[in-house]
Amino acid sequence: DIVMTQSPLSLPVTPGEPASISCRASQSLLHNNGYNSLNWYLQKPGQSPQLLIYLGSTRAPGVPDRFSGSGSGTDFTLKINRVEAEDVGVYYCMQGLQTPLTFGGGTRVEIK
Amino acid sequence: QVQLQESGPRLVKPSGTLSLICAVSGGSISSSNWWSWFRQSPGKGLEWIGEIYHSGHTNYNPSLQNRVTMSVDKSKNQLSLSLNSVTAADTAVYYCSRDHVAGLRLRGYYWGQGALVTVSS
Repeated sequence: DIVMTQSPLSLPVTPGEPASISCRASQSLLHNNGYNSLNWYLQKPGQSPQLLIYLGSTRAPGVPDRFSGSGSGTDFTLKINRVEAEDVGVYYCMQGLQTPLTFGGGTRVEIK
Repeated sequence: QVQLQESGPRLVKPSGTLSLICAVSGGSISSSNWWSWFRQSPGKGLEWIGEIYHSGHTNYNPSLQNRVTMSVDKSKNQLSLSLNSVTAADTAVYYCSRDHVAGLRLRGYYWGQGALVTVSS
């Protein structure tokens, strides 16, 4: 199985300030089609995970442009340009390259 | 926009069988997409249970494959999940999900709201 490791575990942020979350895979997520099979999700309290980023760097429809994804191979980053109060929740990365699909342990973003 | 709604018994006895339905609206179960089930134990992270195509082809998580069965019902436009020999460790919120194909297969694209199933006597 591909092991996904996220850091940090918890991220207190100040509204208006940037935030960054790291995700590392135990093996490359680069598909032979040239795309990385890496999704980012935000799970707000009491809700299901909502897709933010797919293919490592493509924003899902309706996702604000303050969210961006980058990276390739085994190392990926989710950045929030200027955090807003509505961005609180737990962020997960997920690899979709091979089954079983696996997730990072999550990063809890909270407002200071 | 496809919508997914999980339903089923919310309380299951230990050693019993957990059964859930995922009703699909805004799209056909027979579309060229794979359908997945995920779960999340209280306060824990996310786990992929398995996936199914409308043809009935399945891929299961090896950690659960000896206890899980997935199926599709084209006439009702829904999919189902069955997990037998359950224990308290199977208490979780269960989500159904659909992939999206846009030239590439995008896994885990759409998600249902989830259904909390508790295993307890």
